[in-house]
Order: sequence, then structure tokens, then C-alpha cells
Amino acid sequence: DTAVSQTPKYLVTQMGNDKSIKCEQNLGHDTMYWYKQDSKKFLKIMFSYNNKELIINETVPNRFSPKSPDKAHLNLHINSLELGDSAVYFCASSQAGGARGNEQFFGPGTRLTVL
Amino acid sequence: DQQVKQNSPSLSVQEGRISILNCDYTNSMFDYFLWYKKYPAEGPTFLISISSIKDKNEDGRFTVFLNKSAKHLSLHIVPSQPGDSAVYFCAASRSNAGKSTFGDGTTLTVKP
Repeated sequence: DTAVSQTPKYLVTQMGNDKSIKCEQNLGHDTMYWYKQDSKKFLKIMFSYNNKELIINETVPNRFSPKSPDKAHLNLHINSLELGDSAVYFCASSQAGGARGNEQFFGPGTRLTVL
Repeated sequence: DQQVKQNSPSLSVQEGRISILNCDYTNSMFDYFLWYKKYPAEGPTFLISISSIKDKNEDGRFTVFLNKSAKHLSLHIVPSQPGDSAVYFCAASRSNAGKSTFGDGTTLTVKP
């Protein structure tokens, strides 16, 4: 069973469109994250949710809106897509108080290409 | 301000030899340090971690060393295998902050 899954794996779209990426974890974790990996391969945190509540919101344009309908899901909606949004987006989850210090489990990534 | 840095973007070693990947951090409030391994087209996977109260943690071929006074940690892989070829990310966390800060990654290539 896949621990953290993301859909779709690839997303190609035009500038100005609105798109969503879905994430689900079946690990029973209480915290979920969205990361962006840009062309330089840097892995930057965007958002973190704990028990459906937003706890981290890094400097991200408000065109990006995360939504957590329950603890197992954290979706990312992006409005008015721009060329600079092209990147790989990773979802991750963790359990607070874990023995290995915020060990995170990552999904396989969604490669977003904005044309 | 980049709080976690991996100054070597790439490293190439021969199979069977030791690989040493380095990581520096600036925030003395970090109390856990983690290494992740990432293959192309996959998400990062946890490799090994160390608490700030320790200076060494070993798991099979992988050992992480922490030097708090220098704010430096390193990952040793002995012996290196071609399957170890991947991008390695160093991460640091504060146990009450709910997030990890990642370094830029080091691409390790192990040549047969």
C-alpha cells in the first residue's frame, strides 16, 4: 500500500488556469505538508497542516490555497497559474513526537508544467 | 537566510570506498537532524537521523556524525554501492516547530 499518494503525477496546463493537486496519506499521521522543488532542486516548504489546521504558511502567493478536509488529506489548489509555478510539488506527512525527530514520509511528487 | 547548507552540490566516489556528505547549519535551536535520500522521479525517503544530544548514530553502512560546536554534521556511507547513487538532503528540525528545514542536496554518484 502506498503510504503517501499524490494525483496527478504529471500536470501540464496553460498560464492563467486553475488546477488542483490531491494528496492522501494512510499512515495515520497528524501533520501534512506541501513542498515545492524548483528547477535548482531546492526543496522549500510551502504549508503545513496539523489535525486539519494550518500551522505553517511560508511566503507563498495567495494564489496557492491548501485545503485539508480531514487528517488524511491535504490538497493544493493553485489559481491563475504562472510560468514560475512550474516545479515538482511534494506532499509529505509526519507524526508529531516521532522518535526520529519529525521524520517525514513523502509522496512521489507532481510535476507541474505551465505553458 | 539559508539555515541549512550543503556546500557540495555533487560528489563522486568509487564503489567500495567511503562517501562523506557534509551539512552545516546556523540555528542552534535545531534539536534533530535528518538525512533523506532521493532517487529521480521519486519523493525523498528518510535515511537516518540524530538527536542533538548525541554525536553519532549508526545504522548499517550509514553513520551520521554531529559536531554541535561547529554546527556541522556529516553522513558517512561505507562501503559505497552503485545503488547509493542519489540526491541526499540534510534536514534540521526543532521538536516543537512542526517543520524541517532542508539543505540544497548533494548528488552522490558511486561508480562501479
